Amino acid sequence: DQQVKQNSPSLSVQEGRISILNCDYTNSMFDYFLWYKKYPAEGPTFLISISSIKDKNEDGRFTVFLNKSAKHLSLHIVPSQPGDSAVYFCAASARDTSGSRLTFGEGTQLTVNP
Amino acid sequence: EPEVTQTPSHQVTQMGQEVILRCVPISNHLYFYWYRQILGQKVEFLVSFYNNEISEKSEIFDDQFSVERPDGSNFTLKIRSTKLEDSAMYFCASTPFRRNTEAFFGQGTRLTVV
Repeated sequence: DQQVKQNSPSLSVQEGRISILNCDYTNSMFDYFLWYKKYPAEGPTFLISISSIKDKNEDGRFTVFLNKSAKHLSLHIVPSQPGDSAVYFCAASARDTSGSRLTFGEGTQLTVNP
Repeated sequence: EPEVTQTPSHQVTQMGQEVILRCVPISNHLYFYWYRQILGQKVEFLVSFYNNEISEKSEIFDDQFSVERPDGSNFTLKIRSTKLEDSAMYFCASTPFRRNTEAFFGQGTRLTVV
């Protein structure tokens, strides 16, 4: 099941710079997208979401961009901080599901170096 | 801030034994979910639950799995006869609405089948 794919298993950036995490999807029924952050031994924590009727959503240092024609979304973190170091998951839900069932990507380990 | 709580944090069980994983969703949420993450793999959807019945389940959620909301606060996942391949982190989640809403996750239960 490769409906949501994060092709970069890891990303390393310097503190203060921009982190860009990418995600691709194949299911055209996906209409709601989310980014979660996960620390070891904890559950995923919601960061930001975007509906397919939008192409950008911003919340503080976090911005999510959605390119529906390319079936691609990205998460920008500016400026990056050492506390942002975690695994970031992209997730999506489809309009044909009976609930908010989420399909996750593999995750990208972000390391922000001081 | 309201949170989803899961118990136990770690469960070790013998192959073939039954286990019950427990969750207390956020109190005003109506939709409940179980996900799992096998080490090194994606977070995978197992089942969603609404109005005291299963609303959707994945192909992973076979006859050895069951869910129940035995009272007004708890939500449980039972695995009837555990297998080695059931070893994983199990996450409970809840949402206030059916669609286009973030899921709030618990911290997870690490299940180890020996």
